[in-house]
Amino acid sequence: KAGVTQTPRYLIKTRGQQVTLSCSPISGHRSVSWYQQTPGQGLQFLFEYFSETQRNKGNFPGRFSGRQFSNSRSEMNVSTLELGDSALYLCASTVGSSSYNEQFFGPGTRLTVL
Amino acid sequence: EDQVTQSPEALRLQEGESSSLNCSYTVSGLRGLFWYRQDPGKGPEFLFTLYSAGEEKEKERLKATLTKKESFLHITAPKPEDSATYLCAGTQGGSEKLVFGKGTKLTVNP
Repeated sequence: KAGVTQTPRYLIKTRGQQVTLSCSPISGHRSVSWYQQTPGQGLQFLFEYFSETQRNKGNFPGRFSGRQFSNSRSEMNVSTLELGDSALYLCASTVGSSSYNEQFFGPGTRLTVL
Repeated sequence: EDQVTQSPEALRLQEGESSSLNCSYTVSGLRGLFWYRQDPGKGPEFLFTLYSAGEEKEKERLKATLTKKESFLHITAPKPEDSATYLCAGTQGGSEKLVFGKGTKLTVNP
């Protein structure tokens, strides 16, 4: 069974640009969550989608947005990039409820903002 | 505010030297306590889920336990390949987000 895939794996952008990251969950998983990981803050929850609906959102500014498609694939977008947005962005999928079921993580997208 | 705190931040062990990692949480209405392992440059890899105080789960050299306030990850006779960052996270009833601790970086020297 294929795992969670994320594209691209690495990105370099400049301040003010926008970026779109993609995540394909494990087949049959309908919930996709996004996390930001930095050395200082660790892993922080961005948002979670289930059946194309955002169920939860973390404490991030509106520049961070996401969506989920009918095939459960998800994208997240960051507009007007800032230096502090440099991080590893991780996507995770699970079968149903993330409260009870383990999430399976992808390898992440390493975003560098110059 | 829901919080998960891990200690120590870093731990160095000699091969075969058993120890424990701690994860304390203040997540009201805790639904699940999750342990993950993360290797450099990779996404976290699921290890265990614990749901209720007194529960224990084992996998090879690892055993996770849960009390009402904290969880422990016991590592018995570790090997160098156990070197990684170990993360714990909690979920709250009605919320679909994982609240992560900052992790314990474990180094096992041969």
